[in-house]
Amino acid sequence: QQPVQSPQAVILREGEDAVINCSSSKALYSVHWYRQKHGEAPVFLMILLKGGEQKGHEKISASFNEKKQQSSLYLTASQLSYSGTYFCGASYSGYALNFGKGTSLLVTP
Amino acid sequence: GAVVSQHPSWVICKSGTSVKIECRSLDFQATTMFWYRQFPKQSLMLMATSNEGSKATYEQGVEKDKFLINHASLTLSTLTVTSAHPEDSSFYICSARDPSGQGNIQYFGAGTRLSVL
Repeated sequence: QQPVQSPQAVILREGEDAVINCSSSKALYSVHWYRQKHGEAPVFLMILLKGGEQKGHEKISASFNEKKQQSSLYLTASQLSYSGTYFCGASYSGYALNFGKGTSLLVTP
Repeated sequence: GAVVSQHPSWVICKSGTSVKIECRSLDFQATTMFWYRQFPKQSLMLMATSNEGSKATYEQGVEKDKFLINHASLTLSTLTVTSAHPEDSSFYICSARDPSGQGNIQYFGAGTRLSVL
């Protein structure tokens, strides 16, 4: 089951904020967030395990709702280096991840 | 974070030949590794789960005889694309599960771009 990500693409000016959402039709064991730049490996950002959890730091943080069916990634005061494609990976059971289609983020000067 | 090395980064081969891609966890032991395929501007599609010392588990629609996976040690998994054809051209990425800590975080290799002529 592939989680649904939104929006598909975002263009920001440096310093603006963005929110990327990831939702599932059934409860997840965990959700993993990655950022991938063109032609490179996805880089792990963070993992959320508990319903109601929020984690991260002031610039990049994420939340996981109580039902564990929705997660949001918050990018605050965006920097040029934030550009890339963001994927959420959903774990339903076991170790495998099902990735969303990705959200393409472009931060412009 | 943990480091996963993938080799080669780019391979061009003739149709009908076989190509082997290696995935190594450099600073941790990975009992489980994963192989993904990614088409341009698309998501990562899980092909198979590779377990050390046992047979790989393939996702529906992935031909196990076409994509041979071997996970002979705790730090190395290989994917062999047998008798490659142009439709096999893609970006192949491996990941390794770090068993330490919570959540079974996967760390990714840099990927292998396969072009079959």
